[in-house]
Amino acid sequence: DAGITQSPRHKVTETGTPVTLRCHQTENHRYMYWYRQDPGHGLRLIHYSYGVKDTDKGEVSDGYSVSRSKTEDFLLTLESATSSQTSVYFCAIKAQGEGQPQHFGDGTRLSIL
Amino acid sequence: GDSVTQMEGPVTLSEEAFLTINCTYTATGYPSLFWYVQYPGEGLQLLLKATKADDKGSNKGFEATYRKETTSFHLEKGSVQVSDSAVYFCALTLSGGYNKLIFGAGTRLAVHP
Repeated sequence: DAGITQSPRHKVTETGTPVTLRCHQTENHRYMYWYRQDPGHGLRLIHYSYGVKDTDKGEVSDGYSVSRSKTEDFLLTLESATSSQTSVYFCAIKAQGEGQPQHFGDGTRLSIL
Repeated sequence: GDSVTQMEGPVTLSEEAFLTINCTYTATGYPSLFWYVQYPGEGLQLLLKATKADDKGSNKGFEATYRKETTSFHLEKGSVQVSDSAVYFCALTLSGGYNKLIFGAGTRLAVHP
């Protein structure tokens, strides 16, 4: 299995609070991704990174920010959590090269009350 | 735009039955194709992949062949087990850019003893 650790695995918080999710990899892969998975919507890309300090927006980036100060860590921050951000969040990593697959972490289940 | 279409589920089978899950794609370039599996409460796991036309990906008794002429990548298994019950996602990625993964909606498989 790819060395990806997401933390926390579960979190319950209140509307309006900031929340940070962490993705840590031990594979030294260049690319890292944050997705959310919701019933009826499948997986949607929030943000991605193609190197240290190099990040960009995905299709559902509003209300989220990311940072990557080290190759191994990719942080997702909900600046002011809303109930619509209740979801399961997955991190993925990918090695450089054509046809390389993304490998996924076990997810963080986030509930915002 | 680029997209993946999977057969709708749920698919319900008896143990040892033959499985086919259909997947077709639309892509402007030459994609790499993947099948992922998601067990309850877990992240997506790469099941198999194919990177060029006529390639056959295989793993754990599952197979899929990249058919460029029919733009398809159907998943098959000759004899399913109860432990194969999960959600299966077909996905593609195009070269260049940030190698975005485009997912199908997922197909839930339930295998009964």
